[in-house]
Amino acid sequence: QTVVTQEPSFSVSPGGTVTLTCGLSSGSVSTSYYPSWYQQTPGQAPRTLIYSTNTRSSGVPDRFSGSILGNKAALTITGAQADDESDYYCVLYMGSGRVVFGGGTKLTVL
Amino acid sequence: QLQLQESGPGLVKPSETLSLSCTVSGGSISSSSYYWGWIRQPPGKGLEWIGSIYYSGSTYYNPSLKSRVTILVDTSKNQFSLKLSSVTAADTAVYYCARYDFWSDNWFDPWGQGTLVTVSS
Repeated sequence: QTVVTQEPSFSVSPGGTVTLTCGLSSGSVSTSYYPSWYQQTPGQAPRTLIYSTNTRSSGVPDRFSGSILGNKAALTITGAQADDESDYYCVLYMGSGRVVFGGGTKLTVL
Repeated sequence: QLQLQESGPGLVKPSETLSLSCTVSGGSISSSSYYWGWIRQPPGKGLEWIGSIYYSGSTYYNPSLKSRVTILVDTSKNQFSLKLSSVTAADTAVYYCARYDFWSDNWFDPWGQGTLVTVSS
């Protein structure tokens, strides 16, 4: 069974840049997996940030960007702000109608 | 603006069936462009896809839950529903519904606010 992997935690300084990744336990992530990214703060529903690898959802600031880096999908936050401190989840489309969520990355801004 | 709202019992006994509904407002569930999905999140843990349904009734389920899950759609009420049978404490979670753009870019948006379901006697 394929597992979608994410860093369990990451920290970034205010104003800094951080790249979170989304990989596969076996194989490489490509645009064909339609990676999407979601931000979640405690007690809130997830908020869509990025879909189809690099398309920002409506209202998402351009300091959030998505890409493929090597064999993984990536979410880059440029100029991190305090309210970026959240959990971030990636989702990959595995084919045949099946999607898999990554385990999430807890981002700390300090 | 499309909105989704989950509803259902917040407490279910072990071995019983969990039943939730998701009401769609501000748009039609019969849109040919989208599927509709259920996702859950156990307390303190990550998100897990449960399954998705099209207005025609076509479904996709998470293989790990498939034997216990049924997702149905009621276009007359603009709702879709989730039934999860033989629940245990491990099924305690916040359950979210979301629109799923299956035909194009495979993403979930918007999401409902979520509803907590506790499995306990």
